[in-house]
Order: sequence, then C-alpha cells, then structure tokens
Amino acid sequence: GESVGLHLPTLSVQEGDNSIINCAYSNSASDYFIWYKQESGKGPQFIIDIRSNMDKRQGQRVTVLLNKTVKHLSLQIAATQPGDSAVYFCAEESNTNAGKSTFGDGTTLTVKP
Amino acid sequence: EADIYQTPRYLVIGTGKKITLECSQTMGHDKMYWYQQDPGMELHLIHYSYGVNSTEKGDLSSESTVSRIRTEHFPLTLESARPSHTSQYLCASGVGTGELFFGEGSRLTVL
Repeated sequence: GESVGLHLPTLSVQEGDNSIINCAYSNSASDYFIWYKQESGKGPQFIIDIRSNMDKRQGQRVTVLLNKTVKHLSLQIAATQPGDSAVYFCAEESNTNAGKSTFGDGTTLTVKP
Repeated sequence: EADIYQTPRYLVIGTGKKITLECSQTMGHDKMYWYQQDPGMELHLIHYSYGVNSTEKGDLSSESTVSRIRTEHFPLTLESARPSHTSQYLCASGVGTGELFFGEGSRLTVL
C-alpha cells in the first residue's frame, strides 16, 4: 500500500498498513509547506507543516519529508485507520507570497478494513 | 474545531440571480481568503484580504467580488450567477505564513 516518488490521484491501503502520499512542487522559492486533509463535505484541515530548513518533521502518526533537490514532498501515515480516508493536499508558500498558499493536486486515500 | 463559519452550505439558484456567500471568523485573524474548488480537485485562490478595507484578486480569475468592512466578516458576491459559477467556495483565515483555518464550504449550483 505504499507509493514513493510518484504522485497518484488515488491510493488504497489496508487498515494497519503505512501510507505514503507524494507531492511535487514547482516553485524553487517556496520555503513553507503544509499538508491538509479534506474529508467529504468539509473544508481542508491542517495536518502538519515543514519549513525549507528542515527535511523531516514528525507528528502523531504522521511524518512529512521534504526533498528540496527534486522539489518533492511526502506525507507518511503510520498504521492507517479507516478515519484517515480523505483527500490529502499539499500546499506551498514563499516569503514573497506569505499567507497565499498554492495547493497541489489532491490524493484520495481509501482505507480498506 | 476552527471558529470559521460559512453560509449557506448549499445553494441552488437560477441564472442571472445575485448571490452573496457569507464567511465569518471569531479568531481575530487579519488574513482571510476565498478558494474555489471543483469536486475532488485542487483549490484555487480567487480573493484574499490582509485586513479591513484591503482586498486583492487571487491567482484564478473570478467574476465575483468581495468586501472586508469588519475583521471577522468576508462576504463574496456574484452579481449575476451563471452555470459556469457552479462550484464549491471555501473561505479560510490565518495569521500569516502558517496554517489556514477553513470553513466547511458553500456548494453553489446555478441552473
């Protein structure tokens, strides 16, 4: 249930497996990155963020990895649960556009029981 | 739970009608945003405001207009709705570079 490197519009995993959701960004000046989770019928909700002076940040069951060389961001979810089923978006900002997030294509994560 | 509210949640109207989507936040955030999102697709910024009496157009061209007379309130208006305006509109607020707090969205259908 993992996919590394390639952005996929959909990802299906078994409950309990780890999930990896990928995102590519294009703006070399971006220095702040955020992952959001959007459940059906709701607005996006903040999960975790990372600044460009870091390459890894961990939260509760989630880890974000940043590779500035290839402009790639990933979100790892450990022990995926049915409640993790949602659409996940990455967003980026730069100092010159502080507060104006640019969102990437979403990935729909489906967790099978 | 974020304290940002959007009304109406769902709206179905006929072509040519004027509509206003309301957005209010009680967090005292200076920065507020409107994003447009088609189902399952990415979010596109259409308007933003960095404070009272400050409004700017976003990256995606939109025929809608906004106003910011009070810090907590950021309504979006369409003077004459068309079927091409059918979409979900998401309001958000924040304090600067950092996470955005989103409302639950207003899903607009123009017949």
